[in-house]
Amino acid sequence: NAGVMQNPRHLVRRRGQEARLRCSPMKGHSHVYWYRQLPEEGLKFMVYLQKENIIDESGMPKERFSAEFPKEGPSILRIQQVVRGDSAAYFCASSISQGKETQYFGPGTRLLVL
Amino acid sequence: GQQLNQSPQSMFIQEGEDVSMNCTSSSIFNTWLWYKQDPGEGPVLLIALYKAGELTSNGRLTAQFGITRKDSFLNISASIPSDVGIYFCAGQLSSGGSNYKLTFGKGTLLTVNP
Repeated sequence: NAGVMQNPRHLVRRRGQEARLRCSPMKGHSHVYWYRQLPEEGLKFMVYLQKENIIDESGMPKERFSAEFPKEGPSILRIQQVVRGDSAAYFCASSISQGKETQYFGPGTRLLVL
Repeated sequence: GQQLNQSPQSMFIQEGEDVSMNCTSSSIFNTWLWYKQDPGEGPVLLIALYKAGELTSNGRLTAQFGITRKDSFLNISASIPSDVGIYFCAGQLSSGGSNYKLTFGKGTLLTVNP
């Protein structure tokens, strides 16, 4: 039973480029969460999505960041015109339903902006 | 916003020693979670606590949910080298509109000297 998959595991971008991070939830899970981890910090909630719907994007910067979870395919976190401060580890988690259900985390994508 | 203070920031111990770390919050949580993160990987859930005063064990790990619902601790007994990693506490509300959000502490880096 495959866990949460994320790719790429490492991504290097130059300032101004776009970064696309992908997350495939665990089989049977329709709830996806994205978190960001800055160096030596804990994870911070960014966005919560269900299939084709953004439920809560209160933790995501208003500009340059967007997320989607289409009916078919992985969830995508997209960062446009990246800046050095976007360098971080981005984790995706999935759960079978909302709330108290355990969130299972993927291995993360480490983004480095040069 | 909610904040979690996790201490200590780091620990360096000898194999076989017991370890204790804790988290305190400025506000009440209904669920406390403890995760471990290995280098280059995502957080893995160790223990979940759902009730104030609850004491739960998972092998050599024991965690407690504080009576005030504003704190939790994690103990590791008889540490072994593979216990090395970063341990995170996380709080979660179990009711209300944002009960899916996990609020993480900054982590405790544990190093075990064989």
